[in-house]
Amino acid sequence: EAQVTQNPRYLITVTGKKLTVTCSQNMNHEYMSWYRQDPGLGLRQIYYSMNVEVTDKGDVPEGYKVSRKEKRNFPLILESPSPNQTSLYFCASRETGRPYEQYFGPGTRLTVT
Amino acid sequence: GESVGLHLPTLSVQEGDNSIINCAYSNSASDYFIWYKQESGKGPQFIIDIRSNMDKRQGQRVTVLLNKTVKHLSLQIAATQPGDSAVYFCAERRGSGYALNFGKGTSLLVTP
Repeated sequence: EAQVTQNPRYLITVTGKKLTVTCSQNMNHEYMSWYRQDPGLGLRQIYYSMNVEVTDKGDVPEGYKVSRKEKRNFPLILESPSPNQTSLYFCASRETGRPYEQYFGPGTRLTVT
Repeated sequence: GESVGLHLPTLSVQEGDNSIINCAYSNSASDYFIWYKQESGKGPQFIIDIRSNMDKRQGQRVTVLLNKTVKHLSLQIAATQPGDSAVYFCAERRGSGYALNFGKGTSLLVTP
């Protein structure tokens, strides 16, 4: 089944404790991205990657890091989480030739206390 | 004191009726629009898209209408079913790249 998977689905952590949210897709998509979704604000892009070893900042990259060492994986790293990073996070991927038909993962709900 | 959450606009329709979900956009230069569906506990799902050189596009049970004069986009769902209950939001292409501006969404509730 074609899908984007994220782990963990739920995470409660404390300020300053480094964490990684994994994302993997099995569709051989070149493009992957991370979004956060907050009430009243809609989806906002954090980082994206056009291909392996190519990443770029989205609209709200502060406090986040990403890496793209393999085509299928695109982990999101929070080196020192803060409470304002409490949010619902989505990973997405798409085919190069279909720029807007993104496939989203199921989401990771992160709470930073 | 009691905190109040941010509530999405809600549209309640009866099963079998047609639904119309509206979206206003701000950038008159936007040339591409997309509708997404987000069911509870799931990620957004692409429904249909439309380019600015079109006024209407139809898919399976869905129609998107674009009125560039008033910068308005609508999603029509025919014969709404319980499985259509979800949050629907529109997105517009930002600039000439692939970045999108996402709307905040409308919650559609289908009642039997």
